[in-house]
Amino acid sequence: AQKITQTQPGMFVQEKEAVTLDCTYDTSDPSYGLFWYKQPSSGEMIFLIYQGSYDQQNATEGRYSLNFQKARKSANLVISASQLGDSAMYFCAMREMIQGAQKLVFGQGTRLTINP
Amino acid sequence: DVKVTQSSRYLVKRTGEKVFLECVQDMDHENMFWYRQDPGLGLRLIYFSYDVKMKEKGDIPEGYSVSREKKERFSLILESASTNQTSMYLCASRGSGGASTDTQYFGPGTRLTVL
Repeated sequence: AQKITQTQPGMFVQEKEAVTLDCTYDTSDPSYGLFWYKQPSSGEMIFLIYQGSYDQQNATEGRYSLNFQKARKSANLVISASQLGDSAMYFCAMREMIQGAQKLVFGQGTRLTINP
Repeated sequence: DVKVTQSSRYLVKRTGEKVFLECVQDMDHENMFWYRQDPGLGLRLIYFSYDVKMKEKGDIPEGYSVSREKKERFSLILESASTNQTSMYLCASRGSGGASTDTQYFGPGTRLTVL
């Protein structure tokens, strides 16, 4: 079963607008963590933001914030005041334990294009 | 800053060849990972290692093997490359300090084409 679902294969947004990238997850583990990564055309995965399942507040990192709705099992990434450099693939990932080690399970990704 | 390097950005090989993809990290991380990335499928874990000479299968290990002789180096081996192994391969490393926020740091990726 899909554990991380990103339903938007592609999104197009005007520069300076805010954008929300959707992510829903499925887990029965009460302790989990959710990550967002950005992948520019260069290929490297860049860590953006982290949300723990027990965190009381939604995570924020500069222009990035995470809209965490635990009951709905969603962890949407919000980018405020989008810039041309935000154009990239974005991946949502969930931490899970396997054989005592942590691993990440990734969604399919969303390609974000910022138009001038 | 954590630095994860991969031996090649682009690689073209022929069916049946033995292929080595090398990954080196400079942060003394215990955990290292190999993923492949395909359009519409996201990243899928091939193998990971939590210590020298230790390895564990991920979600799609078939057709691959790995080697970790030194802490900083994690190699992915395609014993007999096939066209369905044409993909982007990403290496990552992560410390084991125990913090839940510890993230994985990725290399730049190797785009492998098997003809």
